[in-house]
Amino acid sequence: AQSVTQLGSHVSVSEGALVLLRCNYSSSVPPYLFWYVQYPNQGLQLLLKYTSAATLVKGINGFEAEFKKSETSFHLTKPSAHMSDAAEYFCAVSGDSGYSTLTFGKGTMLLVSP
Amino acid sequence: EPEVTQTPSHQVTQMGQEVILRCVPISNHLYFYWYRQILGQKVEFLVSFYNNEISEKSEIFDDQFSVERPDGSNFTLKIRSTKLEDSAMYFCASRGNRGANTEAFFGQGTRLTVV
Repeated sequence: AQSVTQLGSHVSVSEGALVLLRCNYSSSVPPYLFWYVQYPNQGLQLLLKYTSAATLVKGINGFEAEFKKSETSFHLTKPSAHMSDAAEYFCAVSGDSGYSTLTFGKGTMLLVSP
Repeated sequence: EPEVTQTPSHQVTQMGQEVILRCVPISNHLYFYWYRQILGQKVEFLVSFYNNEISEKSEIFDDQFSVERPDGSNFTLKIRSTKLEDSAMYFCASRGNRGANTEAFFGQGTRLTVV
């Protein structure tokens, strides 16, 4: 069975500061990992995904994540936060299901202050 | 840009009533999913659907739930007799293929409130 743990239900940063959202996973098979973002009143939008091609993955809006197998982690970072980054971020894993269902973390709400 | 659309965005229903949540997946996609998120909890998988039948379902997806693709474009989730604990945000998703590395495209969700 697969699982995802996101540390911190809320993360607050100042505009221009580093964003770090943590995700740890558990999987019995080589995982595929995803970060989704949900802006208010919108659906889940893919930020980036790890599919074993490269451990450092770049996504949209300046976000990137690094897959670290030894730490079973896939933390999301952005060097400089922008007000428009305020949203809820979900880490998800797939790979052990024939129809590739996603197992999500609880989500982290990113708050950005001026 | 193609997108998954869900209707309604909000639904309030009385306990014991039937509700149907509707989704229009991306037109050339073949794999369809329903997920839900109870307030403050994880997004949870409910069911996947392919080739006009359920391919996988979770323990949550019991006999009160059903899905169908009635007309080749809509994908619906029916809850036969709603309970208070069915209150949640329900997300529909679709995929072009079943590969685990393939992105799932999500709708904006339907917030269901059972009173």
